[in-house]
Amino acid sequence: SQTIHQWPATLVQPVGSPLSLECTVEGTSNPNLYWYRQAAGRGLQLLFYSVGIGQISSEVPQNLSASRPQDRQFILSSKKLLLSDSGFYLCAWGSGTETGGYTFGSGTRLTVV
Amino acid sequence: LAKTTQPISMDSYEGQEVNITCSHNNIATNDYITWYQQFPSQGPRFIIQGYKTKVTNEVASLFIPADRKSSTLSLPRVSLSDTAVYYCLVGSSGSARQLTFGSGTQLTVLP
Repeated sequence: SQTIHQWPATLVQPVGSPLSLECTVEGTSNPNLYWYRQAAGRGLQLLFYSVGIGQISSEVPQNLSASRPQDRQFILSSKKLLLSDSGFYLCAWGSGTETGGYTFGSGTRLTVV
Repeated sequence: LAKTTQPISMDSYEGQEVNITCSHNNIATNDYITWYQQFPSQGPRFIIQGYKTKVTNEVASLFIPADRKSSTLSLPRVSLSDTAVYYCLVGSSGSARQLTFGSGTQLTVLP
């Protein structure tokens, strides 16, 4: 069966520090991968998605970047965090077919102080 | 992109049936309708997906009228543990750009 791993679960970082969040998927190949951010009490905002290795599309211009160095690995990064980067970050994968849903990771709660 | 509109919040009591409606007037021919459930500090969880008419699984039913411009998630006999945010998502997973969530519906089940 397919599983998705996301870490760390919580993270407190000072303003101006770098960020690296990692997401890996098991049990599938060539998945579509996504990074979402959710502010407190708000809906999910799509940040990046990837349909293959090295292929990244950005939905919202911001202080963050994403990379996909391997088929089942998706990384969210920042060189210098801002206070506004605080939030709940979720990684998800989809099969890329029309049917079927998306599977989300357990999320990372990032607090920038 | 198929935009969705849902009620911001709903209250219900234990044991009642809950129906949450989602409007998606500009749904495309190849779009599917998918519902997710999210608890605080957790990732959304897939509940049910459909294309037209009615779909039922062990946890919910999904009703989609012929014009597909709306859909209704039906939760039978809710319990306190069904308190969560429910998202309606319209799109095709074959197209990554269409994976856009609306604001969701906060369902609160009261004892």
